[in-house]
Amino acid sequence: GQQLNQSPQSMFIQEGEDVSMNCTSSSIFNTWLWYKQDPGEGPVLLIALYKAGELTSNGRLTAQFGITRKDSFLNISASIPSDVGIYFCAGPSSGAGSYQLTFGKGTKLSVIP
Amino acid sequence: DTGVSQDPRHKITKRGQNVTFRCDPISEHNRLYWYRQTLGQGPEFLTYFQNEAQLEKSRLLSDRFSAERPKGSFSTLEIQRTEQGDSAMYLCASSLGQFGPGTRLTVL
Repeated sequence: GQQLNQSPQSMFIQEGEDVSMNCTSSSIFNTWLWYKQDPGEGPVLLIALYKAGELTSNGRLTAQFGITRKDSFLNISASIPSDVGIYFCAGPSSGAGSYQLTFGKGTKLSVIP
Repeated sequence: DTGVSQDPRHKITKRGQNVTFRCDPISEHNRLYWYRQTLGQGPEFLTYFQNEAQLEKSRLLSDRFSAERPKGSFSTLEIQRTEQGDSAMYLCASSLGQFGPGTRLTVL
């Protein structure tokens, strides 16, 4: 089946630093989604990407859909303590418009004040 | 708030008992998805509904699991004869990939 590989698995950064994490796949995705999950809560959708090469921002977050459609990255600028959490990439494992998603294992972000 | 809601948020049960979880999706969203998440992993797809029809089931959904969405609105996920390996967070998601807060199941 499809697998998504996220790196790094975890990272510790100082408050105010920029963060970059990425997600790769052995197969093509037509949509990439980035989620953040806090402990004991469900994932919250941050950014959705629908076109190869697309660069989309949401506040301090920027994500890009790779040209090959097999990768995506998420950047967070000027990190703050509330950015702490686990970030997941996900893509639909079924047809267009489906949210039957395959998830990566996540990147755990810790921000040191 | 018109987000996805799930009930209960936490459930502790003894091995062998049956449990049922409920999901209320965003109204007018015709698709509803169930996922399971274990510690250190991303959510894994279990099953989904389009309106009241259950259209896809994962191999993870053993015959002890059953899901329903009788009127195409809320959905229930039942686990019969729970096992310790069923301990996980059970998540529900709506049509546009919006997740509920989850139900944390602990089987003792």
